[in-house]
Amino acid sequence: RKEVEQDPGPFNVPEGATVAFNCTYSNSASQSFFWYRQDCRKEPKLLMSVYSSGNEDGRFTAQLNRASQYISLLIRDSKLSDSATYLCVVRPPGGFKTIFGAGTRLFVKA
Amino acid sequence: NAGVTQTPKFRVLKTGQSMTLLCAQDMNHEYMYWYRQDPGMGLRLIHYSVGEGTTAKGEVPDGYNVSRLKKQNFLLGLESAAPSQTSVYFCASRWPDLGTEAFFGQGTRLTVV
Repeated sequence: RKEVEQDPGPFNVPEGATVAFNCTYSNSASQSFFWYRQDCRKEPKLLMSVYSSGNEDGRFTAQLNRASQYISLLIRDSKLSDSATYLCVVRPPGGFKTIFGAGTRLFVKA
Repeated sequence: NAGVTQTPKFRVLKTGQSMTLLCAQDMNHEYMYWYRQDPGMGLRLIHYSVGEGTTAKGEVPDGYNVSRLKKQNFLLGLESAAPSQTSVYFCASRWPDLGTEAFFGQGTRLTVV
């Protein structure tokens, strides 16, 4: 089983739609969680950290479910500029490594 | 405000040739990483370093060597390139704190023919 698993998509949604991505992780003792965004042929960049109580940043909401070992990302009112690959990121115990999921591709269409 | 800089950005190698990829960061970060990214497989950790003079193996270390002689630089070497090493390579760095962001370089596109 992979340490971090994501639905690869692609997700094709119209502008204004709400879309949600899930990500599961295998190590129940993992301590930090993030969502990164990667545009085509570019480097990954931090979108948001994921906190135990859930957190929101504008149109983006991240949730953590430790019991079921998954994190989620919700995007409301999708924009064309949201088209990208979204990477789920987990930091296992020890804190040295950072493990990336394979990513979920999102296409937002006019 | 350079952040993380990788050189070169593109390279084509013949099978059996060697090369070194350089990663330089100006944020005084302790931790540095080398990843490779292949279609459908996401970012896979090759080697990492938690401080000057230290290195450790990641998920896919075979065929690569690394060195961190200076805190700001992390070098990735390919001693005898193989076509299977055709990939996009990313360097990243961060502070040791658990919840800190990893900053990435712009990537090196390597093709081995």
